[in-house]
Amino acid sequence: GENVEQHPSTLSVQEGDSAVIKCTYSDSASNYFPWYKQELGKRPQLIIDIRSNVGEKKDQRIAVTLNKTAKHFSLHITETQPEDSAVYFCAASMNDYKLSFGAGTTVTVRA
Amino acid sequence: DTEVTQTPKHLVMGMTNKKSLKCEQHMGHRAMYWYKQKAKKPPELMFVYSYEKLSINESVPSRFSPECPNSSLLNLHLHALQPEDSALYLCASGAQGGTEAFFGQGTRLTVV
Repeated sequence: GENVEQHPSTLSVQEGDSAVIKCTYSDSASNYFPWYKQELGKRPQLIIDIRSNVGEKKDQRIAVTLNKTAKHFSLHITETQPEDSAVYFCAASMNDYKLSFGAGTTVTVRA
Repeated sequence: DTEVTQTPKHLVMGMTNKKSLKCEQHMGHRAMYWYKQKAKKPPELMFVYSYEKLSINESVPSRFSPECPNSSLLNLHLHALQPEDSALYLCASGAQGGTEAFFGQGTRLTVV
């Protein structure tokens, strides 16, 4: 099955700085890559996703890049704010109803 | 409206009890999911229903029994659970080809 590795496990950034989280996947058949944000005690929330026919996607302060050759994808958050503090999960799917999640990154934005 | 509603929000049950978790979505999604999430871990897939039929069972113990009465509703029946089954149970739904998943708020289950 698909194996997704996520780094770093924790990330502390100063407010206003950028944050980058990286994930690698094992199965080249994976073609859908979502990112979820989960605040303490709340649901995982889909914040951005990318499909394998696209290299980059942006939505305001967040962007995702995909390198299919290297089998890795990254989440970039610019101008971080305290409300960006949360656990972020990457995931990969082969369009088979299964999402394989990374282990998660705990992001702390210092004011 | 990306809303998946789960009830109850919290549940405490004894090991001999029978209880049910409920999930509802009105987004017209044809795929519905149950996930289990332990603290500080990613969600783990339990079951997938596609067009109201069970399409994936990730080798979940029979003390968990899913049911999909119609395209908007998903239930998870619980019986004779163990303390290690205590977790956040998340329902999700999705539309396109079974890839996107929108999660409900979850039911925090404690087995005593």
